[in-house]
Amino acid sequence: GIQVEQSPPDLILQEGANSTLRCNFSDSVNNLQWFHQNPWGQLINLFYIPSGTKQNGRLSATTVATERYSLLYISSSQTTDSGVYFCAVLPETGTASKLTFGTGTRLQVTL
Amino acid sequence: DAMVIQNPRYQVTQFGKPVTLSCSQTLNHNVMYWYQQKSSQAPKLLFHYYDKDFNNEADTPDNFQSRRPNTSFCFLDIRSPGLGDAAMYLCATSRVVAVGETQYFGPGTRLLVL
Repeated sequence: GIQVEQSPPDLILQEGANSTLRCNFSDSVNNLQWFHQNPWGQLINLFYIPSGTKQNGRLSATTVATERYSLLYISSSQTTDSGVYFCAVLPETGTASKLTFGTGTRLQVTL
Repeated sequence: DAMVIQNPRYQVTQFGKPVTLSCSQTLNHNVMYWYQQKSSQAPKLLFHYYDKDFNNEADTPDNFQSRRPNTSFCFLDIRSPGLGDAAMYLCATSRVVAVGETQYFGPGTRLLVL
């Protein structure tokens, strides 16, 4: 099946710093989503971004489908950004229901 | 606000004692999913319902069953919980099963097996 690797696995930032999270996938995809899982376990949709660039406030994401990667940018980080960030994909050759999640990046933002 | 609700948020059960987790949604979505997430791992799909059609993942153990009595509710039944079934269980919904659809997740139920 498709492999989805995220880097870095862990990241510690001081409040106000910027960061880039990466998601690499091993096969062509139809659907790519970024999620934030907060410390209480809630998964929150950030972006649906199978290709191109999107921005929402301090967050933006870029997917280069031909090169099989996606980037999530966090600017001016805040302590509320802490948690685990997952990318999840639907491979072109798989079933449309089965999102495959990446390995996750655990982010801690400190004061 | 339209949302996905899971009850209870924390559940403690005994080894081998059946347990049921509940999910409800006010989004009127056709599809409901159950995921298992073990500590420090990514969520893993167990099964999903598209309307009344049940779709089981090939590697989901028989110990896990599901019921969807109506559009709004979906239940996860663990017939004989083992210590390895301790995990966060996440319910999600989507409007349809299609490549462009976003899945919306509930807050999860954290299951502890003693």
